[in-house]
Amino acid sequence: ETAVFQTPNYHVTQVGNEVSFNCKQTLGHDTMYWYKQDSKKLLKIMFSYNNKQLIVNETVPRRFSPQSSDKAHLNLRIKSVEPEDSAVYLCASSLTVNTEVFFGKGTRLTVV
Amino acid sequence: AQSVTQPDARVTVSEGASLQLRCKYSYSGTPYLFWYVQYPRQGLQLLLKYYSGDPVVQGVNGFEAEFSKSNSSFHLRKASVHWSDSAVYFCALTPGGSGNKLIFGTGTLLSVKP
Repeated sequence: ETAVFQTPNYHVTQVGNEVSFNCKQTLGHDTMYWYKQDSKKLLKIMFSYNNKQLIVNETVPRRFSPQSSDKAHLNLRIKSVEPEDSAVYLCASSLTVNTEVFFGKGTRLTVV
Repeated sequence: AQSVTQPDARVTVSEGASLQLRCKYSYSGTPYLFWYVQYPRQGLQLLLKYYSGDPVVQGVNGFEAEFSKSNSSFHLRKASVHWSDSAVYFCALTPGGSGNKLIFGTGTLLSVKP
């Protein structure tokens, strides 16, 4: 049973638009993540938050910004999307920073 | 730099046959190692993990993996595959002190022929 919920499932937008993806976990975890999976299925971490504090910020373009209102939510905003942003964005959570990571089903973004 | 290599992009086996999916890692210390499975249009599900101790770890659905420090490997095995095992399998590691950052391999697409 999925306990990391992402919305929307799919989103199609034009170059230059702003998009926002939502993620909520109901596991009571302290740590949340965003990963990007490209068209070749390559997975890379983008951000990690622990107790609403940013702890991992990989080298991603500045147009990407995570937003955490509380421990259960971690949203991702992309200002002015580019074609290379087309990918599946996976949200995840873990109890702490050294425990099993649970993934959501992902949001597929297509930039046209 | 830490990395994970899955040398086989695609593996095809017949239902009921045994399976081994290969994973090699590069890390100077002892990493935490994982195997995840991704079914079509789904997120990743954890199959098994290795933190320390017995190098052979058991996972869900009959999967197991063996850690070898000398070979820097963490191969996944299953004695008898089922058609429902068809999916993409990812090997991953977490370096110590990385904030639980998972470094993934490129994945292996497993196709099970009925």
